[in-house]
Amino acid sequence: QQQVKQSPQSLIVQKGGISIINCAYENTAFDYFPWYQQFPGKGPALLIAIRPDVSEKKEGRFTISFNKSAKQFSLHIMDSQPGDSATYFCAASILNYGQNFVFGPGTRLSVLP
Amino acid sequence: ETGVTQSPTHLIKTRGQQVTLRCSSQSGHNTVSWYQQALGQGPQFIFQYYREEENGRGNFPPRFSGLQFPNYSSELNVNALELDDSALYLCASSPGLPTGELFFGEGSRLTVL
Repeated sequence: QQQVKQSPQSLIVQKGGISIINCAYENTAFDYFPWYQQFPGKGPALLIAIRPDVSEKKEGRFTISFNKSAKQFSLHIMDSQPGDSATYFCAASILNYGQNFVFGPGTRLSVLP
Repeated sequence: ETGVTQSPTHLIKTRGQQVTLRCSSQSGHNTVSWYQQALGQGPQFIFQYYREEENGRGNFPPRFSGLQFPNYSSELNVNALELDDSALYLCASSPGLPTGELFFGEGSRLTVL
């Protein structure tokens, strides 16, 4: 119940294309869903996050779509750039309890020039 | 503003030894979380410290222990090292509870031979 599933494991996209990464969770108590971006040799950095009271959040080229009934959420990267090449992790937590962020296994994105 | 710093960046130990990893939290942050990231996997929550008290623990054995100092820096100690402890250990700080964004350091890469 504490797992967060993430797909695909790896993704190759042409420059200018749309990158889509999907995540699914089981624990309906989760109320905070961030996406983290990690470059090689660096720690993860927050990209964008959503609470379950909204179905979509957009920040620049990055959009989270959230489907509460399906217990799924996804990251869309519009106009993907080679600089977006990194590993992306979805995560989930219960903000006021335990402070335990459960991370997905990650998606390695490569954007070809 | 200084970010989260971790030391050492790399270290090699043999099975059965003990290791101490250190973390300086970002200025103004009183909450520190530790995560273990195995190669090709997402980070896994070890524990969190808030104002020098443990505030939550993941599914890790007691040989993983930690503490937080009055200046909010933190240590992770692992006793009786096993081969499976080889991983990147990430420290993340946040400005308080509830924990929203995690600010990660670059990690300490531990190899157990």
